[in-house]
Amino acid sequence: AQSVTQPDIHITVSEGASLELRCNYSYGATPYLFWYVQSPGQGLQLLLKYFSGDTLVQGIKGFEAEFKRSQSSFNLRKPSVHWSDAAEYFCAVGANEANFGNEKLTFGTGTRLTIIP
Amino acid sequence: NAGVTQTPKFQVLKTGQSMTLQCAQDMNHEYMSWYRQDPGMGLRLIHYSVGAGITDQGEVPNGYNVSRSTTEDFPLRLLSAAPSQTSVYFCASSYLLSRASPLHFGNGTRLTVT
Repeated sequence: AQSVTQPDIHITVSEGASLELRCNYSYGATPYLFWYVQSPGQGLQLLLKYFSGDTLVQGIKGFEAEFKRSQSSFNLRKPSVHWSDAAEYFCAVGANEANFGNEKLTFGTGTRLTIIP
Repeated sequence: NAGVTQTPKFQVLKTGQSMTLQCAQDMNHEYMSWYRQDPGMGLRLIHYSVGAGITDQGEVPNGYNVSRSTTEDFPLRLLSAAPSQTSVYFCASSYLLSRASPLHFGNGTRLTVT
């Protein structure tokens, strides 16, 4: 079974600074990888996903993530954060196996991002 | 386009009471699911469905019941509420066209059991 770890519970960044949120996964093959964002009082919204191909994927709101097989990581980055980026971010890993779908999706415990002016 | 709609937004129950959390989607998604979100634990899958008439258990199904009589609706029933079921509940749906299709989430129901 796959697992995912988000080592940082809470990160504080100044507005305009760069951001990197860490995500490490455990899976026997190349997994499906996702980043979701949750604004206060809202459901989760997909930021970006990796299924195969180019290891650097672009998402919405200026976010990108890089799949590094050697490090079992899928870190989320943004060059310059905005106050509206304050939210909770979840990494998720899915099983890349026939006959399995979202019922095999495993979420990390989340990283809460605070932006200071 | 409403997406995934959950009702109610907030609910307070006494121990032993029963209730149903409603979830409806208008995207013709085959896959629907219920998660609970607890601090420090991320999202955990309660039950899911891959189509009308088909449901299955997720990681934490005990104390919950589901049914799927239509493609659009996937209600979650708490049979006898317990304080351990205090949580935020999310309904999510997706296509089954490809494996691990991105999920679309509702805005959640915050449930408190006293």
